[in-house]
Amino acid sequence: GQQVMQIPQYQHVQEGEDFTTYCNSSTTLSNIQWYKQRPGGHPVFLIQLVKSGEVKKQKRLTFQFGEAKKNSSLHITATQTTDVGTYFCAGTMTTDSWGKFQFGAGTQVVVTP
Amino acid sequence: KAGVTQTPRYLIKTRGQQVTLSCSPISGHRSVSWYQQTPGQGLQFLFEYFSETQRNKGNFPGRFSGRQFSNSRSEMNVSTLELGDSALYLCASSLVGGVDKNIQYFGAGTRLSVL
Repeated sequence: GQQVMQIPQYQHVQEGEDFTTYCNSSTTLSNIQWYKQRPGGHPVFLIQLVKSGEVKKQKRLTFQFGEAKKNSSLHITATQTTDVGTYFCAGTMTTDSWGKFQFGAGTQVVVTP
Repeated sequence: KAGVTQTPRYLIKTRGQQVTLSCSPISGHRSVSWYQQTPGQGLQFLFEYFSETQRNKGNFPGRFSGRQFSNSRSEMNVSTLELGDSALYLCASSLVGGVDKNIQYFGAGTRLSVL
């Protein structure tokens, strides 16, 4: 079954507001990645987190990896219409180079002006 | 550096037919993975190839197969198409070693419609 869970599945946001989407794993991850897929497009890599408790920022986007390396979050401040799309997290289950790599189901973000 | 190239972009087939999709990875990327994406189902992992060998496999029936060539280009084949196979098929390439080894670089996809 699904080992990487994302919540919420859908997120309706008023332009200018902040929101957070979460990614949870049933097992410890060696790393986690975030991707964004615009409507009609393909997933595009945003960032990778590797260290426990790591926090990285990209302009209005803040990514965090949990201390236990089982969860991650993406926080977007002052949402803009360009933030519309589906955000996927993806995790590697082990440090083995042959380790299982799994995508979450994604959070679909709709922004209302 | 050119990105991941998938051909064709669109395909219409009828039930029972077979189809072959092609993927050319980013130069230097030796791992190629295939995903099926349908509305509400997210990205479903099909398989991954490295060095012409299938390294990982998802939970898809044997009608779905793939291969990789010595130049890292990959093809996937779906035989005896069913209506439920209608989807966007995405190919992604990645490096094999180093800290960035699992970062997936996706192509634009092939949208398959089965009638």
